[in-house]
Amino acid sequence: AQKITQTQPGMFVQEKEAVTLDCTYDTSDQSYGLFWYKQPSSGEMIFLIYQGSYDEQNATEGRYSLNFQKARKSANLVISASQLGDSAMYFCAMREFDIQGAQKLVFGQGTRLTINP
Amino acid sequence: ETGVTQTPRHLVMGMTNKKSLKCEQHLGHNAMYWYKQSAKKPLELMFVYNFKEQTENNSVPSRFSPECPNSSHLFLHLHTLQPEDSALYLCASSFYPSGTSGEHNEQFFGPGTRLTVL
Repeated sequence: AQKITQTQPGMFVQEKEAVTLDCTYDTSDQSYGLFWYKQPSSGEMIFLIYQGSYDEQNATEGRYSLNFQKARKSANLVISASQLGDSAMYFCAMREFDIQGAQKLVFGQGTRLTINP
Repeated sequence: ETGVTQTPRHLVMGMTNKKSLKCEQHLGHNAMYWYKQSAKKPLELMFVYNFKEQTENNSVPSRFSPECPNSSHLFLHLHTLQPEDSALYLCASSFYPSGTSGEHNEQFFGPGTRLTVL
């Protein structure tokens, strides 16, 4: 069963508009973490924002915010005032821990975001 | 050098070749990871090393052989690969242990090695 689901293979948005990228997850753990990464064409994965399962407030980092709805198991990324440089692949990931406490990231399929001028 | 570096950035090899991918992190982390990113598939975790000890091997074929000589360096040795092994191989690092869900402890990624197996 897929643990991270990103239902939007591609999104096209006009520059300066806000965009929401969807992410739903599946876990039976009480303690978990959710990440969003950006992958430009250069290939490097760039960390954007993090939400812990016990965090009561939605995470925000500059133009990025995370709409965390725990009961619905969704963690959507909102990018405000989009810029041309925001064009990239965006991945949602969930952190799991093994019995030794090491973290593993489980990624979704990604959403390709294109910002049009 | 800063962050996580990977060499080479591009590699083309035949199925009978032996090659190695190198990853180095300059962040003082003590956990390192190899991921495989194939076209149209999510990133797949291959190997995890914590304090130089391998703690995860996600059913990866033996033609991929990791090596972690110290907490700053990670290698992926390749031999007798198949064309379906062509992919972007990403290295990442983080702190270990990871703490509670309240701590970010995000993984920092390198730029990847684009591997093509002919």
